[in-house]
Amino acid sequence: DIQMTQSPSSLSASVGDSVTLTCRASQSISTYLNWYQQKPGKAPKLLISAASSLQSGVPSRFSGSGSGTDFTLTISSLQPEDFASYYCQQSYNIPYTFGQGTKLEIK
Amino acid sequence: QVQLQESGPGLVKPSQTLSLTCTVSGGSISSGGGYYWSWIRQHPGKGLEWIGYISYSGSTYYNPSLKSRVTISVDTSKNQFSLKLNSVTAADTAVYYCARRSSGWNYFDYWGQGTLVTVSS
Repeated sequence: DIQMTQSPSSLSASVGDSVTLTCRASQSISTYLNWYQQKPGKAPKLLISAASSLQSGVPSRFSGSGSGTDFTLTISSLQPEDFASYYCQQSYNIPYTFGQGTKLEIK
Repeated sequence: QVQLQESGPGLVKPSQTLSLTCTVSGGSISSGGGYYWSWIRQHPGKGLEWIGYISYSGSTYYNPSLKSRVTISVDTSKNQFSLKLNSVTAADTAVYYCARRSSGWNYFDYWGQGTLVTVSS
C-alpha cells in the first residue's frame, strides 16, 4: 500500500494568515493526489483533484501543487470557515489511501 | 446534483454482520460514466479508510485489509448499492460513508453524510 504522510498534524493560525500543508507519498504517484476538507460531524469535501485542479465552487485562496511524492495545499488569507481538518488522498492505485490529516485551528 | 444517503443499523453485535445501504438520487448508477460507487470509513477521531467500490455492472474492488470480510453489491433498479462486513469486532466501530469515485483522476466527488455504526454487545 502507498503510505501518505501529512505534516503538520495540527496547525494554529489566525484569520488572514497564509498556511501551507504538506503531504508526502511513500512512492511516486504522479499527480494522482486529491485534497479534502472536513468539518466536525460532516463528510469530507473535495477541494482539489489531480494535485492542482480546483473544484468548482472552491474559493481561489485554496491552491495545490506538487508531483511525484511531495505535495502541498496552500490556503492564502485564511477565513473563519477554513478552520477544519484537511486530508490528502492518493488515487494512483488500489487500495486508495489517505493521509492522517492536518487539523487547522484558530490561534 | 448527485446526492447519496446511507441507511442501516447503528448498532451491531460482535461477530455479526454489518449491513448498510446507500441510496443515490440526482443521478442514475446505471448510467455508467466510469463512476465507481464506494464505501469509506472513519474510526472515531481518526483518518479515512477506503473499503471498496463497485461499478454499475457489478465489478468490485476491495481493500485487501478487509477483503475477506467485505461484500459490496449494487441494485440498479433501486439506484442503491450496499455494504456487508461480516464477523465485526469493536475495531469496526466507525462512521461509514458512501461516496462516488469519479472516472479519470479517481477522486471522491460526492459523499453521503455518513452513519455511525457501533459494534457492541
